[in-house]
Amino acid sequence: DTGVSQNPRHKITKRGQNVTFRCDPISEHNRLYWYRQTLGQGPEFLTYFQNEAQLEKSRLLSDRFSAERPKGSFSTLEIQRTEQGDSAMYLCASRLAGQTFPYNEQFFGPGTRLTVL
Amino acid sequence: GENVEQHPSTLSVQEGDSAVIKCTYSDSASNYFPWYKQELGKGPQLIIDIRSNVGEKKDQRIAVTLNKTAKHFSLHITETQPEDSAVYFCAASTDNYGQNFVFGPGTRLSVLP
Repeated sequence: DTGVSQNPRHKITKRGQNVTFRCDPISEHNRLYWYRQTLGQGPEFLTYFQNEAQLEKSRLLSDRFSAERPKGSFSTLEIQRTEQGDSAMYLCASRLAGQTFPYNEQFFGPGTRLTVL
Repeated sequence: GENVEQHPSTLSVQEGDSAVIKCTYSDSASNYFPWYKQELGKGPQLIIDIRSNVGEKKDQRIAVTLNKTAKHFSLHITETQPEDSAVYFCAASTDNYGQNFVFGPGTRLSVLP
């Protein structure tokens, strides 16, 4: 257990429905990342937050995706009008970033597996 | 942008033998290279990492080597055990932007008893 939790662990939905996932990072971590992992592939970066500010989005993050991190604590990732191609594992990671913390280690949660029927 | 390749995609070894997984990266600005182990149904867990100012790092049965000139790095596992069976991912990141990781496609390691 890395200290990063994600809920739900599994989500099955029908095409066209909206889904929301939650990530609770390690409490003192100011940086939070979302990745997507499809079967047999490595995780792919989606977006990241520095505290409550969303600072970067990947081109993989279409307009149907939105992420928030209110108050710089937990984060949510919402997918609207889900498509079968959205089926994947959605991973959250967190780390402590700053001048005195040059190390880049990210701590990953267990992921939320999304299946779109 | 950064591109990370990883070989082999699958690797089977006998218990007690060594395993080597190799990765190459494209962005010379990358300066941090972690290796993650992912077991079925779990998120990736860091097993070892190396920064670009170091050529080699070892932690018990696991070691990582880095060749900045050739832009490749390798994971070495000695005296493999059945519990080493998992998918291993290499990754690269830079100090630019958010230091997000670019992962390789993974290597499925099977340690046969």
